[in-house]
Amino acid sequence: DVKVTQSSRYLVKRTGEKVFLECVQDMDHENMFWYRQDPGLGLRLIYFSYDVKMKEKGDIPEGYSVSREKKERFSLILESASTNQTSMYLCASKGGDITDTQYFGPGTRLTVL
Amino acid sequence: AQSVTQPDIHITVSEGASLELRCNYSYGATPYLFWYVQSPGQGLQLLLKYFSGDTLVQGIKGFEAEFKRSQSSFNLRKPSVHWSDAAEYFCAVGGIAYNQGGKLIFGQGTELSVKP
Repeated sequence: DVKVTQSSRYLVKRTGEKVFLECVQDMDHENMFWYRQDPGLGLRLIYFSYDVKMKEKGDIPEGYSVSREKKERFSLILESASTNQTSMYLCASKGGDITDTQYFGPGTRLTVL
Repeated sequence: AQSVTQPDIHITVSEGASLELRCNYSYGATPYLFWYVQSPGQGLQLLLKYFSGDTLVQGIKGFEAEFKRSQSSFNLRKPSVHWSDAAEYFCAVGGIAYNQGGKLIFGQGTELSVKP
């Protein structure tokens, strides 16, 4: 079974703090993604990575950065957290074939006070 | 612009009744289409996907979906709903870019409630 794990299920941070969200997949997938999920808006892509050290902006990259130093790990960084970044964050991974499925982690619910 | 619309934010059906969740997309190229389900507190699980071929796609948990190119739709159906089907359902579309990193565009989601 494919497993995508996220470091925390719930996280509470203060405005201005630097926040790291970690994601690990165990299927040797080339592609990894960070989405943000908000009620009524569905999932929106923040960043994705198609290889180690490679990254591409998604639809809402402002206020976020990412790091992929190893194939299995993809980190989302909030350099200076703000209250409007309170949300559910979902990580996903996918193999390199066009028909491969995106597999999702359980999500991290981040609250910024 | 590329987009996915799920017109129904919330649907309630009785257990044992049939279900249809609507999905309409706008995509300039050949679309690849997906339905995911999210149970409370969980990540997303793939129900089914369409890439090519037969436009009626069978998925897990007794779900099916039909791709209608002329209507730009990919509606999800189930003949008899179970209480455990209560969840949020997301339709998503990808295209050539899906293979270049795998970008998906998601709809807003439809929350399904099941009455006993």
